[in-house]
Amino acid sequence: EVQLVQSGAEVKKPGESLKISCKGSGYSFTSYWIGWVRQMPGKGLEWMGIIYPGDSDTRYSPSFQGQVTISADKSISTAYLQWSSLKASDTAMYYCARQISIAARLDYWGQGTLVTVSS
Amino acid sequence: DIQMTQSPSSLSASVGDRVTITCQASQDISNYLNWYQQKPGKAPKLLIYDASNLETGVPSRFSGSGSGTDFTFTISSLQPEDIATYYCQQYDNLPTFGQGTKLEIK
Repeated sequence: EVQLVQSGAEVKKPGESLKISCKGSGYSFTSYWIGWVRQMPGKGLEWMGIIYPGDSDTRYSPSFQGQVTISADKSISTAYLQWSSLKASDTAMYYCARQISIAARLDYWGQGTLVTVSS
Repeated sequence: DIQMTQSPSSLSASVGDRVTITCQASQDISNYLNWYQQKPGKAPKLLIYDASNLETGVPSRFSGSGSGTDFTFTISSLQPEDIATYYCQQYDNLPTFGQGTKLEIK
């Protein structure tokens, strides 16, 4: 069974750094891309970027380029989304999802990680 | 970016009704269009891929059609468990989502 399990909820202060994770199982982790999707409170879905764990090839949506960093450790089948300096506007639910390619459907999703940034 | 315009933004219907949601792309995306269902507090779930293909395990009352710039998502007979927000998503280029349609029971 394909599963993506994300790390738990985080509460941070503005200016702090954060790295959240997404661990894949039940499939060949290095043969699929992992995408990240943001959902701000009460709002819609925004595709942020994607990584291919096989070779760490990474692409970003223009809206998120320079704002976050996506990485992966294929040895432990885990992808990451990180911020160097959080802002209140980063408060959102973040989902990881599996994709067969950069331009493709998101066929399996993690359960989401809620990030709250507040002073 | 390719913009996706979904309508309506919200919809109220009765159990058993036929429900239709539309999605329009800002440029020709062939059939590179997927539909997702998101129930409150849950992750989105893929329902339809490549505009008209039903994902495995999804009930046959859900269907999709269209190509080019205009797409339609239909629930043939609305069930109480279908209450959710529905999103279209294009993948002609970097993925983008429509703004969502919140479906409620009348």
